[in-house]
Amino acid sequence: DAGVIQSPRHEVTEMGQEVTLRCKPISGHNSLFWYRQTMMRGLELLIYFNNNVPIDDSGMPEDRFSAKMPNASFSTLKIQPSEPRDSAVYFCASSLAGDWYGYTFGSGTRLTVV
Amino acid sequence: AQSVTQPDIHITVSEGASLELRCNYSYGATPYLFWYVQSPGQGLQLLLKYFSGDTLVQGIKGFEAEFKRSQSSFNLRKPSVHWSDAAEYFCAALKAAGNKLTFGGGTRVLVKP
Repeated sequence: DAGVIQSPRHEVTEMGQEVTLRCKPISGHNSLFWYRQTMMRGLELLIYFNNNVPIDDSGMPEDRFSAKMPNASFSTLKIQPSEPRDSAVYFCASSLAGDWYGYTFGSGTRLTVV
Repeated sequence: AQSVTQPDIHITVSEGASLELRCNYSYGATPYLFWYVQSPGQGLQLLLKYFSGDTLVQGIKGFEAEFKRSQSSFNLRKPSVHWSDAAEYFCAALKAAGNKLTFGGGTRVLVKP
């Protein structure tokens, strides 16, 4: 298995632009998580899905952020409009709920908003 | 509130020396516990996990961790570090029957030649 695949690896965008981050979880995993990592706040859980359904989005910072999981093999995290304070590394992770070998993380997307 | 604390932000250790990273948790009941490692520019890789049973857990890359219920701790150790162990290490906890992993703030390890 290729693991959790995130794209793009790096994204530089101007303030006010829409940004879409993509994630392909491991085949067979039914839980998907979006995390944000910054120096100031560490790793923050933004939202997670079970069986493609959003379960907890309490970590989503504000309405500018949205996440979707249209099917079991794809998820997006969208920021519209983007702001410089959104600059961070965004990680996607997947797991098989109830099978606790922990999450498998993607390599992350480094977002820079200028 | 449930939380995971890693008291040391940075640790510097000489190559070949032993390493211990501290982790404390605050949960109503003993959670499942994990250690992850993050190399620069990479995602997080699972080192080891504790669910129940033997309190000394062996992981990959020569790491081990000891669960101590009385101290609410799950410290990570390695007897002899290699330069390639320079990375950031995260302790994490999951409430039993839950699905949300809570991470500590991380400890960055620097290895001196």
